[in-house]
Amino acid sequence: GNSVTQMEGPVTLSEEAFLTINCTYTATGYPSLFWYVQYPGEGLQLLLKATKADDKGSNKGFEATYRKETTSFHLEKGSVQVSDSAVYFCALSVSGGGADGLTFGKGTHLIIQP
Amino acid sequence: GAVVSQHPSRVICKSGTSVKIECRSLDFQATTMFWYRQFPKKSLMLMATSNEGSKATYEQGVEKDKFLINHASLTLSTLTVTSAHPEDSSFYICSATGGAGYEQYFGPGTRLTVT
Repeated sequence: GNSVTQMEGPVTLSEEAFLTINCTYTATGYPSLFWYVQYPGEGLQLLLKATKADDKGSNKGFEATYRKETTSFHLEKGSVQVSDSAVYFCALSVSGGGADGLTFGKGTHLIIQP
Repeated sequence: GAVVSQHPSRVICKSGTSVKIECRSLDFQATTMFWYRQFPKKSLMLMATSNEGSKATYEQGVEKDKFLINHASLTLSTLTVTSAHPEDSSFYICSATGGAGYEQYFGPGTRLTVT
């Protein structure tokens, strides 16, 4: 079956530090890959996505590259801010996201200290 | 982005009773809605997929008679937990989409506590 493994937190960083949250996956076929972010008290929001190998998704300074050879989709940001504090979920879909449910990782709680 | 609401946000019920959770797409028509369950420190687990006007498709291991899903309109899906027990206590999250190729939009979730 499909699965997503991501580093568990909490991950605590100082403001302006470099961020990496690792994510690897197992899937049949060629899935689409996603990063979602959940701020306190809110629903999950799509942060970025990539639909094929070597695609790079980016948004709000965050980036992730679809690496088929290592089955990875690590999330990076060069300089984090306190407002980035949230829970981040890596996810995959074998249909592209709209026709089937997503397979999620366990989520990584990110805490950015001033 | 599109908005999905859930009601209630928190509910406490007694063991043996039933509780209904609503999921609404507020500004778009959702041909497909998904229900997820999230355990503490666990990932979101897909429970079922519902298409408007059709019976829901349940994931393996999810009891369809316990978790009744209705998707009667393009803006509303409901999840009813029947004869709830303490082990049903969890965080339930819905998402909605306009269909294949469209983004899924998530509701804020409902915290169910069964006493």
